[in-house]
Amino acid sequence: GQSLEQPSEVTAVEGAIVQINCTYQTSGFYGLSWYQQHDGGAPTFLSYNALDGLEETGRFSSFLSRSDSYGYLLLQELQMKDSASYFCAVSGQGGKLIFGQGTELSVKP
Amino acid sequence: DGGITQSPKYLFRKEGQNVTLSCEQNLNHDAMYWYRQDPGQGLRLIYYSQIVNDFQKGDIAEGYSVSREKKESFPLTVTSAQKNPTAFYLCASSLGESSYNEQFFGPGTRLTVL
Repeated sequence: GQSLEQPSEVTAVEGAIVQINCTYQTSGFYGLSWYQQHDGGAPTFLSYNALDGLEETGRFSSFLSRSDSYGYLLLQELQMKDSASYFCAVSGQGGKLIFGQGTELSVKP
Repeated sequence: DGGITQSPKYLFRKEGQNVTLSCEQNLNHDAMYWYRQDPGQGLRLIYYSQIVNDFQKGDIAEGYSVSREKKESFPLTVTSAQKNPTAFYLCASSLGESSYNEQFFGPGTRLTVL
């Protein structure tokens, strides 16, 4: 079957750096995506890794190791507005996404 | 502005009634998706369509039906056969069926069955 694991909750302070890990077991793996969802809102795309290594987009970076079936999202210079749920998602055949359960990030002042 | 619209935002229905959730996109995307999200959970795929007049079941299709008669529209019907329909329903679209395409989500419909 297909499964993804990520921590359910993470807490950090404003200005800090936080890493959200994601491990996966899946067939037909094409890449790992990250989405952000504020409470009650629509998920929005943050990043995508198809190859091993680090992708950087502003304050957010995402890493993938295909051999370890592992990736992470790194958020730097945390701001209060970064408080949200973060989902990793595996891309499969036909554009399908399989989502993890989500990590709720709380940023404290 | 291009985007995805879902209506209504909140929907209440009595148990045993079918209900249809609307999803429209003007992004000229070929692929469209329906997800269900329960409190504190991830998104689970109900149905998806990669092209007009074709759609496939996702992981939790039982009790749901869809149609894709137009590229812009992908309505979801929650039937009385769905045992626990109260949830947040999200529609998404993407460019196509290549191995990766960013999915764009609508604002969602929160369905409550009384």
